[in-house]
Amino acid sequence: GENVEQHPSTLSVQEGDSAVIKCTYSDSASNYFPWYKQELGKGPQLIIDIRSNVGEKKDQRIAVTLNKTAKHFSLHITETQPEDSAVYFCAAGPGNTPLVFGKGTRLSVIA
Amino acid sequence: DAGVIQSPRHEVTEMGQEVTLRCKPISGHNSLFWYRQTMMRGLELLIYFNNNVPIDDSGMPEDRFSAKMPNASFSTLKIQPSEPRDSAVYFCASSPTGGWDTIYFGEGSWLTVV
Repeated sequence: GENVEQHPSTLSVQEGDSAVIKCTYSDSASNYFPWYKQELGKGPQLIIDIRSNVGEKKDQRIAVTLNKTAKHFSLHITETQPEDSAVYFCAAGPGNTPLVFGKGTRLSVIA
Repeated sequence: DAGVIQSPRHEVTEMGQEVTLRCKPISGHNSLFWYRQTMMRGLELLIYFNNNVPIDDSGMPEDRFSAKMPNASFSTLKIQPSEPRDSAVYFCASSPTGGWDTIYFGEGSWLTVV
């Protein structure tokens, strides 16, 4: 089955700097790659997703890139702000079974 | 629109007691998922339903755990008897497309077994 590895597990950046979180997956049939943000005491919320027919997608300060050949995808957050502090999860969708999640990255933005 | 609704939000119970967690999925979604989140294991899929039918319960840790979905708008996750190692956050999620696309999480039920 699908296996998703996520790195780093913790990340601290200065406010205004960029943050990058990377994930790899194992199943070449996976074609859907969402990213979720989980704030303290809340459930994970979808922030951006990408499908296998595109290599990059942007939404304001966040972007996701996908390299299907290498089976990895990344989340990029530019101009980080304190409210970006949260746990971020990547996931991969093999298309015939539920999403498989990475272990999460705890991002701290230091003001 | 209302999201996935879970209750209770917080539960503290004594070891050996029965715990019932409840979930109302987003209206119109035909798939429902129960996840458990711990520091050590991250988000674990326990069981999921399509059209109220359990499809895969291989993630349910023990026979002490059971889940039902009697209709399209309600599901329960029951732990009987509960043990301290069951302490975790339990999330319910729903999806309109069978779960291999976007899924939407509830706010979670924070369970502490003492």
